Order: sequence, then structure tokens, then C-alpha cells
Amino acid sequence: GEDVEQSLFLSVREGDSSVINCTYTDSSSTYLYWYKQEPGAGLQLLTYIFSNMDMKQDQRLTVLLNKKDKHLSLRIADTQTGDSAIYFCAEKGTSGSARQLTFGSGTQLTVLP
Amino acid sequence: DVKVTQSSRYLVKRTGEKVFLECVQDMDHENMFWYRQDPGLGLRLIYFSYDVKMKEKGDIPEGYSVSREKKERFSLILESASTNQTSMYLCASRTGYTYEQYFGPGTRLTVT
Repeated sequence: GEDVEQSLFLSVREGDSSVINCTYTDSSSTYLYWYKQEPGAGLQLLTYIFSNMDMKQDQRLTVLLNKKDKHLSLRIADTQTGDSAIYFCAEKGTSGSARQLTFGSGTQLTVLP
Repeated sequence: DVKVTQSSRYLVKRTGEKVFLECVQDMDHENMFWYRQDPGLGLRLIYFSYDVKMKEKGDIPEGYSVSREKKERFSLILESASTNQTSMYLCASRTGYTYEQYFGPGTRLTVT
């Protein structure tokens, strides 16, 4: 079945850029998503990218997609302490159940002052 | 804005009790989902529903059941709670076009 992998932890200094990486196995992925989860809260959709795009930018967020390597990244420019959270990558493929997203296990981003 | 609400933020139940977790969405979404979230395991899908009275098992349905009598409401039922069901439970609903899911705030369930 589909699989989505992320590293578990990332620490950056306030003001630096953060890059959170994700790899997936489903070559038929149509949409890929980034979610943010703050402590004790549900998941908040940050952005998504369609599989025919290489890049999407939204204010401080830049998503890069390398379909050949099945690699997705989220870059946060000028990282702030409020960006400390767990970030989940998710993909929507055409194989398996068409209704489901497959989520990675999340990357805990810690922003140091 | 899409709003997904869950009936409780925190819940403490005893082993063997029947537990109901309620989820309501206000966007007329056809698809709704229940996940559990455990440290290091990410989100695991328990059940989802693609229409009223329609449901499908996810990856970890054992020990759970669901009910969808109205489009806006999706309930997760623990027939006989056990300590290994202590977890954060997240409900989501989904659009049909770009498939992104919108999540509720979660219910942290502790079974003692």
C-alpha cells in the first residue's frame, strides 16, 4: 500500500529557514498536502499542491515537489516561535481507496530563540 | 470557514464502559473520517463514511464502531473501552474536489 515517510524531529533557530521533508511511494499521487498541528489541537491545512506542479508559494511557505524522486518539501522562511508544531505530509493517490489520504507520522519542529 | 466540532476535548472513562464520541461538520461534506493519533505512529484511520448510513473500515477498526444517521454528524463508538484505546481521537470531513480534509480539535480520551 501507500506509504509516507517523514523525519520525526527538526530544530531551527528563530529567523532561519526550516525545511521539512517527506517521501512517498504512490506514483499515482494526485494531490499532496501539508498540515500543521499545534499542541493539544487538531490538524490545520496549510497548503496543498497538485501533482502536475513543481512548486507552490504562499507567503512564508514554499512547497517543492519532485515527482521523479517522490519527494515533497515544505520550506518556512523566517521561522518564528509560533511555527513550533508538528507538521504532517499527506498524499491522495488513485490506488487503494479513493476516499482516503495517507499521512506521514509527522515532524516535530522546534524553533529555538 | 469550514467548521468541524467534536463533543468533548477531554474525556475520562473506565474500562468496560461504552463511549460515544460525536463529530459535527457544517459544510455539507459527504465524506467524514475518524482517526486516532498516538506518539510516533501519526494518524491511523479507524473508519470513514462516504454518505449517510454508509461506512467503510479503515486501518484499525477493531474495538470500534460508527454511526452516520445524518449527513452532518458522524459518531465513533467504543463498545467496551479498554486501556489501549487511550488516545487522541480526531474527526475530519472532506471536500469532493481537491480532497483536503478539515479536522476538528480532537478528543483526548483516557481509559482507566
